[in-house]
Amino acid sequence: DSGVTQTPKHLITATGQRVTLRCSPRSGDLSVYWYQQSLDQGLQFLIQYYNGEERAKGNILERFSAQQFPDLHSELNLSSLELGDSALYFCASSVDGQGVTLHFGNGTRLTVT
Amino acid sequence: GQQVMQIPQYQHVQEGEDFTTYCNSSTTLSNIQWYKQRPGGHPVFLIQLVKSGEVKKQKRLTFQFGEAKKNSSLHITATQTTDVGTYFCAGPDNLFFGTGTRLTVIP
Repeated sequence: DSGVTQTPKHLITATGQRVTLRCSPRSGDLSVYWYQQSLDQGLQFLIQYYNGEERAKGNILERFSAQQFPDLHSELNLSSLELGDSALYFCASSVDGQGVTLHFGNGTRLTVT
Repeated sequence: GQQVMQIPQYQHVQEGEDFTTYCNSSTTLSNIQWYKQRPGGHPVFLIQLVKSGEVKKQKRLTFQFGEAKKNSSLHITATQTTDVGTYFCAGPDNLFFGTGTRLTVIP
């Protein structure tokens, strides 16, 4: 158990809809990362937060947004969903902003129909 | 932009054979991380390399960082069925992941 909690585990929704994925980092970790993993693909970095502030941004679509709250949990909002957004979304946390060691959650599998 | 290429994409080996995956970048990497993802699981951190020419070992796993800090490799000696999974390199600062090498070990 990595200590990183992601909910929900599975999400099935229709095109055009909006969903929110939630992540609680390991106790003591200040940084949260979001990644997208499509079928048989590598991990695409989306965005990183450190202690509530956006730290780095990757290939995150404008339809996607995220935030980290004062209690350090993070939410990833995906809107106007398309079939191509179907993927496994991982959250990872690290104790600092450099992310030397990332601890990954079990992921949220999103299926857009 | 920064890209990290990883080869091979797939590797099938007989149990007991060795396995190597390579990670290459067109630019110098300040650091590189290696992760293992078991089928149906999440990536698990293995190691970080920072210094030019660095070599680190973890039991049967040997990690190397190139002298120019543009490439890295992971070598597994005498593979076991427990080594099955996808091995990813990532760097720097875990912002760029390689495409991964999926290892299958045939008993």
